[in-house]
Amino acid sequence: EVQLVESGGGLVQPGRSLRLSCAASGFTFDDYAMHWVRQAPGKGLEWVSGISWNSGSIGYADSVKGRFTISRDNAKNSLYLQMNSLRAEDTALYYCAKDSAVNGDRSPFDYWGQGTLVTVSS
Amino acid sequence: EIVLTQSPATLSLSPGERATLSCRASQSVSSYLAWYQQKPGQAPRLLIYDASNRATGIPARFSGSGSGTDFTLTISSLEPEDFAVYYCQQRSNWRGTFGQGTKVEIK
Repeated sequence: EVQLVESGGGLVQPGRSLRLSCAASGFTFDDYAMHWVRQAPGKGLEWVSGISWNSGSIGYADSVKGRFTISRDNAKNSLYLQMNSLRAEDTALYYCAKDSAVNGDRSPFDYWGQGTLVTVSS
Repeated sequence: EIVLTQSPATLSLSPGERATLSCRASQSVSSYLAWYQQKPGQAPRLLIYDASNRATGIPARFSGSGSGTDFTLTISSLEPEDFAVYYCQQRSNWRGTFGQGTKVEIK
């Protein structure tokens, strides 16, 4: 059974940093691209970032480019999101999502975690 | 950046009725369009990929159509568990842009 478990969320002040983690199990992690998607309270889904199976291809939404860094450790079956210079508008539930393909373009997200909540407030 | 516009924002229907949801892209995404269902307090679930292919375990009452810039998700006969928010997503490039969602509510 595929499982994606996010962690690392919490309350953080504007301008500070936070690192999210996603522990994957139930599938061959390094066979697939992975993504982060967020959802602000009461709002829709926003793709944040994605990374190919070997970290050779990486993409970011304009809203986080230069502030967030995605990475993965295939030996640990883990996905990460380093979030720096956080803003109030980054407040959201952050989902880890598994791509259905290795390279991460042109393919849907077939499994999602339950999310970890990030609140940016003073 | 490709923008996806979903309509209507809210669809009020009764169980057993047919639901037709629209998703329009600001430029062609070929057939790289997916649909997701999200219920309150739950993560999104993949329904349809590549515009018209049902994901594993998705009932046949869900169908997708379209290509280029205009796409449709149809639920042929609404079941009580189908009342939820539906999102389209383009995957023609790395930025997996989502539409703003259509809420299907009980009339």
